Amino acid sequence: AQSVTQLDSQVPVFEEAPVELRCNYSSSVSVYLFWYVQYPNQGLQLLLKYLSGSTLVESINGFEAEFNKSQTSFHLRKPSVHISDTAEYFCAVSDPYGQNFVFGPGTRLSVLP
Amino acid sequence: EAGVVQSPRYKIIEKKQPVAFWCNPISGHNTLYWYRQNLGQGPELLIRYENEEAVDDSQLPKDRFSAERLKGVDSTLKIQPAELGDSAVYLCASSLRQTYNEQFFGPGTRLTVL
Repeated sequence: AQSVTQLDSQVPVFEEAPVELRCNYSSSVSVYLFWYVQYPNQGLQLLLKYLSGSTLVESINGFEAEFNKSQTSFHLRKPSVHISDTAEYFCAVSDPYGQNFVFGPGTRLSVLP
Repeated sequence: EAGVVQSPRYKIIEKKQPVAFWCNPISGHNTLYWYRQNLGQGPELLIRYENEEAVDDSQLPKDRFSAERLKGVDSTLKIQPAELGDSAVYLCASSLRQTYNEQFFGPGTRLTVL
């Protein structure tokens, strides 16, 4: 069975500062990894995903995440955040068949002016 | 293209009352998921459908929860009777069968049980 740990429940950061949201997982099989974002009063949206290939994946709005198999991590980073990035971010893992989908508890990113 | 539609958005009931949630997935999506999201936690899968067949309902509390997807399109999740601990956001998601990994979520139904 898979599990996901997001150590930081809340991350406050000033606008234009860099941010890293941490995600670690455990699994006995190979995994697919995901970051979802949930803006206030909205549903979850897929931000980026790692299925195979390059370990560095990017989203269209400047976020990136790197799959590190030895560290069993998939941390999310952005070099310069905006007020509009304020949201809840969920890391998730599934098996290679897209099943056994497990979400982490989430990290609330608050971008301060 | 319309996204996943859920109704109602909010529901307040007293304990022991029944409640039902409705979900209409994205057109053409074979796979439908129901999740429960407790406050401050990530979503937890309750049930997954492939067309009209429930292929994973291992986390569904079957003594009080039931779900159906009769024609393989929209779905209903029911709780009867509701308990205080059922207060949560109930999320519906859908995906194309060949791309399980790309789930599209609805806005959810926030249930409050008094």
